[in-house]
Amino acid sequence: GAVVSQHPSWVICKSGTSVKIECRSLDFQATTMFWYRQFPKQSLMLMATSNEGSKATYEQGVEKDKFLINHASLTLSTLTVTSAHPEDSSFYICSATGRDSYNEQFFGPGTRLTVL
Amino acid sequence: KQEVTQIPAALSVPEGENLVLNCSFTDSAIYNLQWFRQDPGKGLTSLLLIQSSQREQTSGRLNASLDKSSGRSTLYIAASQPGDSATYLCAVPSGGSYIPTFGRGTSLIVHP
Repeated sequence: GAVVSQHPSWVICKSGTSVKIECRSLDFQATTMFWYRQFPKQSLMLMATSNEGSKATYEQGVEKDKFLINHASLTLSTLTVTSAHPEDSSFYICSATGRDSYNEQFFGPGTRLTVL
Repeated sequence: KQEVTQIPAALSVPEGENLVLNCSFTDSAIYNLQWFRQDPGKGLTSLLLIQSSQREQTSGRLNASLDKSSGRSTLYIAASQPGDSATYLCAVPSGGSYIPTFGRGTSLIVHP
């Protein structure tokens, strides 16, 4: 089956620093990638949708200048949390769909971000 | 905007029981519906994807049905095992979109 990886799996950083999270599709070309965040005991909230080579589309209430998304190739998307603060601590999950996947989403293992 | 509700929120059962997890959605003009499993602190694993033209999908002990007209889907787990313990999420796109809205999940515990 289609595999999506994320790196790092967890990260701890100081308030005010920036953190980059990578999302890769390992065995298929991801035409669209999605970024979600999940708070404890809550469901996934879509942050943004990105298509390769174009700007990401952000959901209402998500600051595009704070959460920078780059989808540079058909196998890689990155999420950079800029000037992170403790309230940004969360579980960030990416997913991807491919041309032949009938829009089935394949999820990465997630990245746990803790901002001190 | 699509709203997805999952019932029950939590379920604790002894091993061997057959289980029914429910998902309801408000916008029935959907392309597909997907069921996922999430283990604590982990990402999501896709279990079943049902296209809008399909009524059900089966994978091993799992069977998912879709009734678009009533805005409902059911995930049936046969002969539950402790390894089935996880949170089960239902994801449904809004009408005209492929981007899913997630329910809050059903937290399942199967004890030996």
